[in-house]
Amino acid sequence: ELKVEQNPLFLSMQEGKNYTIYCNYSTTSDRLYWYRQDPGKSLESLFVLLSNGAVKQEGRLMASLDTKARLSTLHITAAVHDLSATYFCAVDRSNYQLIWGAGTKLIIKP
Amino acid sequence: NAGVTQTPKFRVLKTGQSMTLLCAQDMNHEYMYWYRQDPGMGLRLIHYSVGEGTTAKGEVPDGYNVSRLKKQNFLLGLESAAPSQTSVYFCASSSWGGSQRGYNEQFFGPGTRLTVL
Repeated sequence: ELKVEQNPLFLSMQEGKNYTIYCNYSTTSDRLYWYRQDPGKSLESLFVLLSNGAVKQEGRLMASLDTKARLSTLHITAAVHDLSATYFCAVDRSNYQLIWGAGTKLIIKP
Repeated sequence: NAGVTQTPKFRVLKTGQSMTLLCAQDMNHEYMYWYRQDPGMGLRLIHYSVGEGTTAKGEVPDGYNVSRLKKQNFLLGLESAAPSQTSVYFCASSSWGGSQRGYNEQFFGPGTRLTVL
């Protein structure tokens, strides 16, 4: 069965701290996507990682992809309250679909 | 560009009623998708379309039908609503052409919150 597993599913942290969200997947895909969802809102694309070793950064967020380990990480540096959201990772299936993780709900306390 | 829009934003139905959700995109994307999102379950694909006039089943298609008569529109129908269909429904579109060099970055609409009583 094709699976995408995120951990943790819930994370509460203090502003200024660093943390990492993990996304493990069971397919052989070399394309991985990270999305952000604010409460009651839609999903917004954050990063598209297209090959082994790919690293992308936007502000305090950095995503990386290790296709051999079937692992992607989303690292948060010096967290701020505005980064509170649910973060989803997804990978390609072969037939035009994405397989989605369950999401990681991140709460950053002042 | 409006991107991906969905109509309506909210709807309450009684069990057995029918309705159609409309998704429209102005990005000339080939691929369109309907998902449902339930608490703690992430996104589940209902149906998708890889071009005008085509549709295909996703992982949870039962109780839903779709049509893609025009490239820019993707309709999701519920013929006889059930309480289990209470959910938030998202439409998404993608420009990916299925090429190995491309990628399937999906762009989402604002969602429709549906309650079935």
